[in-house]
Amino acid sequence: DADVTQTPRNRITKTGKRIMLECSQTKGHDRMYWYRQDPGLGLRLIYYSFDVKDINKGEISDGYSVSRQAQAKFSLSLESAIPNQTALYFCATSLAGSETQYFGPGTRLLVL
Amino acid sequence: QKEVEQDPGPLSVPEGAIVSLNCTYSNSAFQYFMWYRQYSRKGPELLMYTYSSGNKEDGRFTAQVDKSSKYISLFIRDSQPSDSATYLCAMQTRRGGGADGLTFGKGTHLIIQP
Repeated sequence: DADVTQTPRNRITKTGKRIMLECSQTKGHDRMYWYRQDPGLGLRLIYYSFDVKDINKGEISDGYSVSRQAQAKFSLSLESAIPNQTALYFCATSLAGSETQYFGPGTRLLVL
Repeated sequence: QKEVEQDPGPLSVPEGAIVSLNCTYSNSAFQYFMWYRQYSRKGPELLMYTYSSGNKEDGRFTAQVDKSSKYISLFIRDSQPSDSATYLCAMQTRRGGGADGLTFGKGTHLIIQP
């Protein structure tokens, strides 16, 4: 089945460490997104990419960077993790012109 | 004021009841309205999508949009324990999102008691 996968599913790291969250999709979609979800704050957009050469900041991009290595791969990096980046991170994909975003299973990140 | 307001709940109702979930919004440019369902430890999945005011029905689910009041609702008839999940409303100003992407409500945690 065409799918959106995220690795790792869970990660514990320490303040100041660099970490990377990875997203892969087999749906053939051109658009990919990174969101974070926090209790009481809902889903917030970090970065999005409409194709390999197009990267855009979302609502809360500070402290994050992304890389679109291929149409099917979109990685999120925390250059120097801090405790308030503890959250549930979701990758999503969509086709241009479609209202439907398909979400991955999420990565649960804890920064100590 | 947040662009999209949604009561986080929890909302607990007995099995078989009609459930009403709601969101209000402030940005009159929103044109496309969605409801996502999120089970515990899973990613959100699209449940309903509507454009323009009015009702849209899909099985036990009905989505309602009132643009004049900036108010959207999701109704669940004959609720089942398997409907227990968090329901997120989402909106966008243009089809496919463009630079705006999706704006989500915080989600309402729904519990259907057997």
